[in-house]
Amino acid sequence: AQTVTQSQPEMSVQEAETVTLSCTYDTSENNYYLFWYKQPPSRQMILVIRQEAYKQQNATENRFSVNFQKAAKSFSLKISDSQLGDTAMYFCAFMEGNNDMRFGAGTRLTVKP
Amino acid sequence: DAMVIQNPRYQVTQFGKPVTLSCSQTLNHNVMYWYQQKSSQAPKLLFHYYDKDFNNEADTPDNFQSRRPNTSFCFLDIRSPGLGDAAMYLCATSRGGWVAGELFFGEGSRLTVL
Repeated sequence: AQTVTQSQPEMSVQEAETVTLSCTYDTSENNYYLFWYKQPPSRQMILVIRQEAYKQQNATENRFSVNFQKAAKSFSLKISDSQLGDTAMYFCAFMEGNNDMRFGAGTRLTVKP
Repeated sequence: DAMVIQNPRYQVTQFGKPVTLSCSQTLNHNVMYWYQQKSSQAPKLLFHYYDKDFNNEADTPDNFQSRRPNTSFCFLDIRSPGLGDAAMYLCATSRGGWVAGELFFGEGSRLTVL
């Protein structure tokens, strides 16, 4: 079974600074998808960014970018110019073609003013 | 407009008293998921439907059942809730297939077991 590991239970960052959240995963498959989801306090989970494993280019969405290292099975999220609204739980997730989405344990990010 | 709607948002039940949580979607997505999320933990996949095909996780207790009567609706039945079943239950949808898209989540149903 695939596993997703987030080794940082909690992190904090000053507003306007940059923070990187780590994620590693384990799979024997070659084709899969990786995601970062954000779950704000008492609100629903939403997608932040997605990466297809067959694409070498790292995905970018405005202030959010990933560093995808397929050989190392690493998928980190970089948040630039952190904003107070970025405070949330961040979950790394993995999906294969069988539609099972597996989540890591999450990293609680606090952006400090 | 909400696209994945879960009801009720909060459910309090007594130990052993059956509970049904519902989920509806307006996205016409093929796949619907139920996750269990306990405090400060990763969402744990209980099962999912691809259309009418039911996929049960091997470690999902028999106490949990699901129904999907049509594309729009999916239900989670907890036959005899125990204290350990207190959690947030998340419903999600996706288009499915190899065009692996994002999951769209509802706001969750928080279950309290007394």
